Amino acid sequence: RKEVEQDPGPFNVPEGATVAFNCTYSNSASQSFFWYRQDCRKEPKLLMSVYSSGNEDGRFTAQLNRASQYISLLIRDSKLSDSATYLCVVFGYGGSQGNLIFGKGTKLSVKP
Amino acid sequence: EAGVTQFPSHSVIEKGQTVTLRCDPISGHDNLYWYRRVMGKEIKFLLHFVKESKQDESGMPNNRFLAERTGGTYSTLKVQPAELEDSGVYFCASSRWDRANYGYTFGSGTRLTVV
Repeated sequence: RKEVEQDPGPFNVPEGATVAFNCTYSNSASQSFFWYRQDCRKEPKLLMSVYSSGNEDGRFTAQLNRASQYISLLIRDSKLSDSATYLCVVFGYGGSQGNLIFGKGTKLSVKP
Repeated sequence: EAGVTQFPSHSVIEKGQTVTLRCDPISGHDNLYWYRRVMGKEIKFLLHFVKESKQDESGMPNNRFLAERTGGTYSTLKVQPAELEDSGVYFCASSRWDRANYGYTFGSGTRLTVV
């Protein structure tokens, strides 16, 4: 089983739509959680951290359910510029020390 | 604040040759990481430095890969001899001491193609 699993998509949505991505992680001892955004042929960039209480940053809302080992990202009022791959990332202990562990990413394409 | 800088941005080499990738972390970041994305796969951890010490190299694929961080500043990742399966994008990242809470900042990557 992969440590971090995401639906690869692609999600094709019209501008203004609301879209939700989900992610599950396998290690219950994982410490912290993030959503990164990666544009084509660019580096991953931190979009937001994910907290147990849920957190919001403008049009973006992230939720964490530790009991179900499940993370979500909701994007409201999608913009063309939101088109990218969204990476679910977990700070976990895959080796002897903690490090970021990535999902394969979910591709989002927002159309006019 | 300058970001994480990687060089070169692209490298095409023949199988059996040697390639050295360089990473300059954000100034003051003691933690430096190497990650790799092979086509069709997720980004995978290779190794972690704290200053000049290798903290975790559990992700290094084999002994053809050698990473160094002399003086605790920039880092190099050498692949010798390169094989076809080494092709991919190599990302370097750095972070502050409280890395679990704030994530890492990534460089733009080196796209390595072994032919």
